Amino acid sequence: QKEVEQDPGPLSVPEGAIVSLNCTYSNSAFQYFMWYRQYSRKGPELLMYTYSSGNKEDGRFTAQVDKSSKYISLFIRDSQPSDSATYLCAMSLGTGTASKLTFGTGTRLQVTL
Amino acid sequence: GAVVSQHPSWVICKSGTSVKIECRSLDFQATTMFWYRQFPKQSLMLMATSNEGSKATYEQGVEKDKFLINHASLTLSTLTVTSAHPEDSSFYICSAPAEAFFGQGTRLTVV
Repeated sequence: QKEVEQDPGPLSVPEGAIVSLNCTYSNSAFQYFMWYRQYSRKGPELLMYTYSSGNKEDGRFTAQVDKSSKYISLFIRDSQPSDSATYLCAMSLGTGTASKLTFGTGTRLQVTL
Repeated sequence: GAVVSQHPSWVICKSGTSVKIECRSLDFQATTMFWYRQFPKQSLMLMATSNEGSKATYEQGVEKDKFLINHASLTLSTLTVTSAHPEDSSFYICSAPAEAFFGQGTRLTVV
């Protein structure tokens, strides 16, 4: 069993739709949870960073963490064609030198006009 | 904000040759850098951790003699793929421990 599971997609939605991306994990020691967006042939770009269970909102993006269920989500409201990318969840045990990340496989999102 | 600059962004080399990838922290000092590898349609996998002034630490299964890592200064870490083979073709990405800062990645193709 992988430490982090993520549906690879692809996920295709029409412009304006609400997108839900999810990851589950098995290691309860993970403390920090991140969502990255990766365009083709580019490095990952941090979108959201959370520590505690609950919701965190930033513009059109909402990150949700449920530590009891070992489940995290990223919601994208009013999706745009420019949101088309691969979305990676990642998590770490701590900060600094403990912050090496364990990634999900990524979900490829396509937002159509 | 802080930026990690990685160079080159892509490289094609012949089998058996060596390739060096550079990762620079532009406006902050990084005593540690992480090097990841990403195969097509797969997740990023941590290869090694470079430490300024000391030897790099490698993840299980990563050949330290093949993937030479040098952290020469507080702003530069390098990964050298020695005697590259087609199976080494991948996307290599460096990052600073502050989670936000990833390099742009280097796509290596060995022919």
